[in-house]
Amino acid sequence: DIQMTQSPSSVSASVGDRVTITCRASQDVSFWLAWYQQKPGKAPKLLIYAASSLQSGVPSRFSGSGSGTDFTLTISSLQPEDFATYYCQQANSFPRTFGQGTKVEIK
Amino acid sequence: EVQLVESGGGLVQPGGSLRLSCVASGFTFNTYEMNWVRQAPGKGLEWVSHISSASRTIYYADSVKGRFTISKDNAKNSLSLQMNSLRAEDTGVYYCVRVSGSGRHLDYWGQGTLVTVSS
Repeated sequence: DIQMTQSPSSVSASVGDRVTITCRASQDVSFWLAWYQQKPGKAPKLLIYAASSLQSGVPSRFSGSGSGTDFTLTISSLQPEDFATYYCQQANSFPRTFGQGTKVEIK
Repeated sequence: EVQLVESGGGLVQPGGSLRLSCVASGFTFNTYEMNWVRQAPGKGLEWVSHISSASRTIYYADSVKGRFTISKDNAKNSLSLQMNSLRAEDTGVYYCVRVSGSGRHLDYWGQGTLVTVSS
């Protein structure tokens, strides 16, 4: 199985900050990497797919990059509604696997 | 508007069974692959199972293989998860999720249904 490791596990940031979350796969997943945002008590929401494609309706301050084993989610200017937990997921092979999550908290 | 509505969650004793259902609307269900994803209380997301559009291909997480069965009824626009031999570690919110038609990402999620396995 492919292991997905996110870092950091949590980050404290202020509104307007640039936030970067990394996701590392234990083996090559090509560009089959997605990022999801989850707020407390809500279902996850797709942000980025195919490593760098922005899902329709998602603000352009979110961006993704990477391929192979190393990926990054960047929030260019953190907004109040962005405080949430973020997960990466590989879709290169079964079983699909998620990272452990990164909680973005208010500083 | 795409909608996925789960039902069937509840409290069940260890070793018991439960059947989750998901009714889909707003898209051509028979052309989409579907997944179940779960989340234990206070924990991260765990992929559970995948079924292809016509049910020809099915995959399970090792943690549920042999105990859970996914099925898809395209005539009724519904997805199911039969869960047998339930364990305490199966407790959590179960999400019905659509796989994007243009890729492998999970583009629409239901609101989730809570399963609690406890005596």
